[in-house]
Amino acid sequence: NAGVTQTPKFRILKIGQSMTLQCAQDMNHNYMYWYRQDPGMGLKLIYYSVGAGITDKGEVPNGYNVSRSTTEDFPLRLELAAPSQTSVYFCASSRGTEDFYTIYFGEGSWLTVV
Amino acid sequence: KNQVEQSPQSLIILEGKNCTLQCNYTVSPFSNLRWYKQDTGRGPVSLTIMTFSENTKSNGRYTATLDADTKQSSLHITASQLSDSASYICVVRLSGNTPLVFGKGTRLSVIA
Repeated sequence: NAGVTQTPKFRILKIGQSMTLQCAQDMNHNYMYWYRQDPGMGLKLIYYSVGAGITDKGEVPNGYNVSRSTTEDFPLRLELAAPSQTSVYFCASSRGTEDFYTIYFGEGSWLTVV
Repeated sequence: KNQVEQSPQSLIILEGKNCTLQCNYTVSPFSNLRWYKQDTGRGPVSLTIMTFSENTKSNGRYTATLDADTKQSSLHITASQLSDSASYICVVRLSGNTPLVFGKGTRLSVIA
C-alpha cells in the first residue's frame, strides 16, 4: 500500500503559467481532498470529492480546478499561476465522511510562483 | 468566526521529559476533534480522533483529553523521544457538511 501519492514534490512556476498536481490513492477511498498550507497557518481546504464524478469547492477554490474521473485519481489544476498560490499542497483521502474516518495525507507538493 | 487556537506556539523539551500541548476551540456545533503529527517536510499523520462524548483517548505515549464544556483539548506526550520533534496540529470537525478547521500547530523540539 503506497497510500496517497503526490507528484511533483517541488515545482517552480512563472506567473501566468499553468500546471497540474497529481494525486493518487490505492486504498479505495471514496473521499479525496486538496489542502494548501501557508507558512505559520492552518491547512485550508481547496476542493474535495466524495466519489468519482463528484467534486465540490472548499474554503479557498479560486484559481484552481479539479476533476475526479476515477476513484484513485484527483488532480489539481492551477490556471494562470499567481504569487499568492505559492504554498505547500497536500492531497488527502478518507474512506468516508470526516465525521468518522481518519484522513490520510500525502507527502506534500511545494510550489513556488515567481 | 470559527477558530482553533493552539498553545504554546513552540516548545523545547529535554528527551525523556513529558509535555502537554493545548487546544482551545470556539467552533460549534462540534462533531469531533483530532490531533495530527506533522514531521518537517511531510504530510500530517493522525494520532487520535475523539467525539464530543469522549474525554480521553490514547495512542501509545500520546494521550489526548477533551472537555467539551470548556471547549478545550490537550495532547500529553509521555517520556518524549527525539522522534517526537514535529508540529502537532489540533483539528476540529463541525457537524454538518463543513470543512475541517485546522489549528496552526505547536512546534515541538525534543533535544538530547
